[in-house]
Amino acid sequence: GQNIDQPTEMTATEGAIVQINCTYQTSGFNGLFWYQQHAGEAPTFLSYNVLDGLEEKGRFSSFLSRSKGYSYLLLKELQMKDSASYLCAVRDGGFQKLVFGTGTRLLVSP
Amino acid sequence: GEEVAQTPKHLVRGEGQKAKLYCAPIKGHSYVFWYQQVLKNEFKFLISFQNENVFDETGMPKERFSAKCLPNSPCSLEIQATKLEDSAVYFCASSQEERAYEQYFGPGTRLTVT
Repeated sequence: GQNIDQPTEMTATEGAIVQINCTYQTSGFNGLFWYQQHAGEAPTFLSYNVLDGLEEKGRFSSFLSRSKGYSYLLLKELQMKDSASYLCAVRDGGFQKLVFGTGTRLLVSP
Repeated sequence: GEEVAQTPKHLVRGEGQKAKLYCAPIKGHSYVFWYQQVLKNEFKFLISFQNENVFDETGMPKERFSAKCLPNSPCSLEIQATKLEDSAVYFCASSQEERAYEQYFGPGTRLTVT
């Protein structure tokens, strides 16, 4: 079956660092994605990992360990506008569809 | 266009009525995906197209849901005889080519079934 787990909610303070974890068990694997979704809006692409290791993109970094079925999204220098839901998604191996986790709601406070 | 366009933004239907949603992918993108988001964050894949051909329909409820992508027309997702549990936001996404790593999402259509 397909199972992707993330914490439901997290809180952090402006300027801090937060790590959002994602574990997955899927029948196929062809990459792991992180999306940001503000309330009432479409998801926007943040990062993509297909090989083990860390991908850095400005304030956001994403890590993947395929052997452990584990990824995390690291957000540095948090800003109020980072308050959003963060969705972990795995691309099914032979097909292009994304299997999503339930998302992590991040609240950044002053 | 440069963005995925979805219409309408909001749609209200009485239980048992038909609902039809439209999606125009980014120009040049050959893959189109439909997802259903219920209860805030629970995303469910419905169907994908490669140009006008069904690519993967493993997520589609067979009885009441249908979808098409015809040449020179927006793609459509149709729900016959809507039910209360069909209330959700329906997102369309497109990608540039097979195994392209990024799907671009449209703004979604919020369907409310009363």
